[in-house]
Amino acid sequence: DGGITQSPKYLFRKEGQNVTLSCEQNLNHDAMYWYRQDPGQGLRLIYYSQIVNDFQKGDIAEGYSVSREKKESFPLTVTSAQKNPTAFYLCASSPGNSGTAEQYFGPGTRLTVT
Amino acid sequence: SQQGEEDPQALSIQEGENATMNCSYKTSINNLQWYRQNSGRGLVHLILIRSNEREKHSGRLRVTLDTSKKSSSLLITASRAADTASYFCVVSGGYNKLIFGAGTRLAVHP
Repeated sequence: DGGITQSPKYLFRKEGQNVTLSCEQNLNHDAMYWYRQDPGQGLRLIYYSQIVNDFQKGDIAEGYSVSREKKESFPLTVTSAQKNPTAFYLCASSPGNSGTAEQYFGPGTRLTVT
Repeated sequence: SQQGEEDPQALSIQEGENATMNCSYKTSINNLQWYRQNSGRGLVHLILIRSNEREKHSGRLRVTLDTSKKSSSLLITASRAADTASYFCVVSGGYNKLIFGAGTRLAVHP
């Protein structure tokens, strides 16, 4: 069953703690993306990766870090430096390395930091 | 900003009616895409229309693109309660980036 998985679905953390969100895909896609969505808003790009061992900052990268050691995996760490980390986080992937192609989304992780 | 802006922000209709959502953008584009998001879920790609295309159909969906007016519309015919979702117009914002608007929240009442 092909697709993108994100875990966990809900995540709760105390302020000051780093937290890592998982994203795995078995679609053999080259490119992967992380977005943040706030209530009633569209998606904002945090980081993206076109190829293994390479990634680029998106529009709101401050306070976040990523790695791309394997083609299938693109974990996102929300660090304590992120001022407003509570949000809905979405991972996506696309074939090839053009970010303007159709993207396939995971189900999302809702992070709450108190 | 190249962000697509959807109009209206919210739309409420009865089952069986048609729903029309509009999108405007500011600069030239490679393509324009529409996505659907059910509440609290990931996004699902609906349709992609290239800049040299004027109209595209997929099932009950019809998308038009007018590059001279920098606008697009998404028509859902014979709507169903299951069409209740947010719909996002997404434009290509330069190499390797998609730019998402804030979306239109569609409610279809039985």
